[in-house]
Amino acid sequence: DSGVTQTPKHLITATGQRVTLRCSPRSGDLSVYWYQQSLDQGLQFLIHYYNGEERAKGNILERFSAQQFPDLHSELNLSSLELGDSALYFCASSVEGLAGPYNEQFFGPGTRLTVL
Amino acid sequence: QQQVKQSPQSLIVQKGGISIINCAYENTAFDYFPWYQQFPGKGPALLIAIRPDVSEKKEGRFTISFNKSAKQFSLHIMDSQPGDSATYFCAAVRGLVFGAGTILRVKS
Repeated sequence: DSGVTQTPKHLITATGQRVTLRCSPRSGDLSVYWYQQSLDQGLQFLIHYYNGEERAKGNILERFSAQQFPDLHSELNLSSLELGDSALYFCASSVEGLAGPYNEQFFGPGTRLTVL
Repeated sequence: QQQVKQSPQSLIVQKGGISIINCAYENTAFDYFPWYQQFPGKGPALLIAIRPDVSEKKEGRFTISFNKSAKQFSLHIMDSQPGDSATYFCAAVRGLVFGAGTILRVKS
């Protein structure tokens, strides 16, 4: 168990809908990262927050947004969902930000999103 | 675009054999190269990592070989076991960039 929790485990929704995925980082970790994992795209970095502030953006669509709250948990909001958004969404946390060298990321168990 | 290219896509190895997974990167600013192991239904977990100032790092049956001039690094799993069957991702850090993953199956 990595200490990172994600809810829900599974989510099934329809195209055009909006969903929110939640992540609680390990105790003491200030950084939260979101990743999308699909069969054809592998593991793709979406966005990184450090202590409430956005630090880096990866391949995140404009329909997607995220935030990190004062208690350091994070939410990933996916809107106007398309079939191609079906994937596993992972959250990871680390003590420092990406700029910190040799900074291990601890991954949560993921949320499996299915868009029908 | 920063990229890390990983090969092979999948690998089948006999129990006791050596599993070798290769990665190549482009951006010389990368300064940390971790390998992640992912079991079905689980998130990736850090397996072993190397800094570019060393050419090899060994932890138990797992070894990373690093060739800075060729911008390549590889994971060797010695005495591969069925419990090693998983997906392996290489990554490069200056912003975390992952390879596409290698599905390893160790046949007993």
